[in-house]
Amino acid sequence: KQEVTQIPAALSVPEGENLVLNCSFTDSAIYNLQWFRQDPGKGLTSLLLIQSSQREQTSGRLNASLDKSSGRSTLYIAASQPGDSATYLCAVIRNYGGSQGNLIFGKGTKLSVKP
Amino acid sequence: EAGVAQSPRYKIIEKRQSVAFWCNPISGHATLYWYQQILGQGPKLLIQFQNNGVVDDSQLPKDRFSAERLKGVDSTLKIQPAKLEDSAVYLCASSLSERGTQYFGPGTRLTVL
Repeated sequence: KQEVTQIPAALSVPEGENLVLNCSFTDSAIYNLQWFRQDPGKGLTSLLLIQSSQREQTSGRLNASLDKSSGRSTLYIAASQPGDSATYLCAVIRNYGGSQGNLIFGKGTKLSVKP
Repeated sequence: EAGVAQSPRYKIIEKRQSVAFWCNPISGHATLYWYQQILGQGPKLLIQFQNNGVVDDSQLPKDRFSAERLKGVDSTLKIQPAKLEDSAVYLCASSLSERGTQYFGPGTRLTVL
């Protein structure tokens, strides 16, 4: 059974700091991994998607890496801003030959960036 | 491009009542998902549709939950009868293809009293 864990559960940093959010998964047979952002009372916004054959993806100040063999992914946020405050969720799709797109989520890391 | 639309945004009901949620995916997206997110948890898939066919409903409590996507576009999720533990945010998502990037709606927050 695939399980996704995110550490830490909450993180508070001063504005401008670079930070890393961690995600681990128990079954390395994944199709892809996605990072999402969730703002209070709102749905999820997809930030980055990494295919199982890729090692990293970048978008602006965000960089996500994937080490499938060790079951780990990190989301790096450079020069954090108060607007980055949100809950960040990691999710994987298992790769077992079917067409199911079931995202299996971690519980998220709640990030607070202080001005 | 319009995003995924959901209604209502909030719903309060008493246990044993019934409730229905509606979702309109992004135009052209063949795959539609319903997720349940309990407070403090990540979302959990309830059902996945490909056009108007069910791909995965293994985690849908079929004794009380039902979902349909009759014309392969919008979808409804129904709970009957509701239990206290059904209190959660119900998220709808769509993607262009199976296993593609999923785009989420704002969700419906359900409170069962």
